[in-house]
Amino acid sequence: GQNIDQPTEMTATEGAIVQINCTYQTSGFNGLFWYQQHAGEAPTFLSYNVLDGLEEKGRFSSFLSRSKGYSYLLLKELQMKDSASYLCAVRDLDFSDQTGANNLFFGTGTRLTVIP
Amino acid sequence: DAMVIQNPRYQVTQFGKPVTLSCSQTLNHNVMYWYQQKSSQAPKLLFHYYDKDFNNEADTPDNFQSRRPNTSFCFLDIRSPGLGDAAMYLCATSRDSAGVEYFGPGTRLTVT
Repeated sequence: GQNIDQPTEMTATEGAIVQINCTYQTSGFNGLFWYQQHAGEAPTFLSYNVLDGLEEKGRFSSFLSRSKGYSYLLLKELQMKDSASYLCAVRDLDFSDQTGANNLFFGTGTRLTVIP
Repeated sequence: DAMVIQNPRYQVTQFGKPVTLSCSQTLNHNVMYWYQQKSSQAPKLLFHYYDKDFNNEADTPDNFQSRRPNTSFCFLDIRSPGLGDAAMYLCATSRDSAGVEYFGPGTRLTVT
């Protein structure tokens, strides 16, 4: 089975740095994704890790440790508009699927509130 | 420019009355997905198409069907909506089975 855990809620101050953790247990692994989702809107892709280490993209960075089943999303220089839910998602490997498609399993998301 | 388009954005249907949600993409991606997301929950995959090959998730109710007449369009049919089917329905596409999934804006379905 698949299990993805992340904190339900976090609060941080504008201009600060916040780290959102994600741990996962999946039967296979073919990449970890972070998405941002504002209330009532669709998820927007932020970052992708398939190898261990840190991926940096502007104010956002994501880290992966496959041996520990662990990832984090780091947000720097927080802005009010960063208030949103952040979804951790793991792509599984499913060789039983004839098309070779690998499902993406989402965590329930971390609701981040940025305060002045 | 919108790349994954969903219509309508909001849909109200009556209990038991069939409803169809539509999705189109301009990315020419091979894979199209339908997810159901209820409030404060993770998106749940209902089914996906890799080209014309349809893959249904084991726990997707028979009440949900899908069609993909061509590369650009995919439809979600709910044959007899129940109150429990009220949710946001998200369409997503990816270039291949391991690629990034790009989501449309979603259709929020209300069942009265």
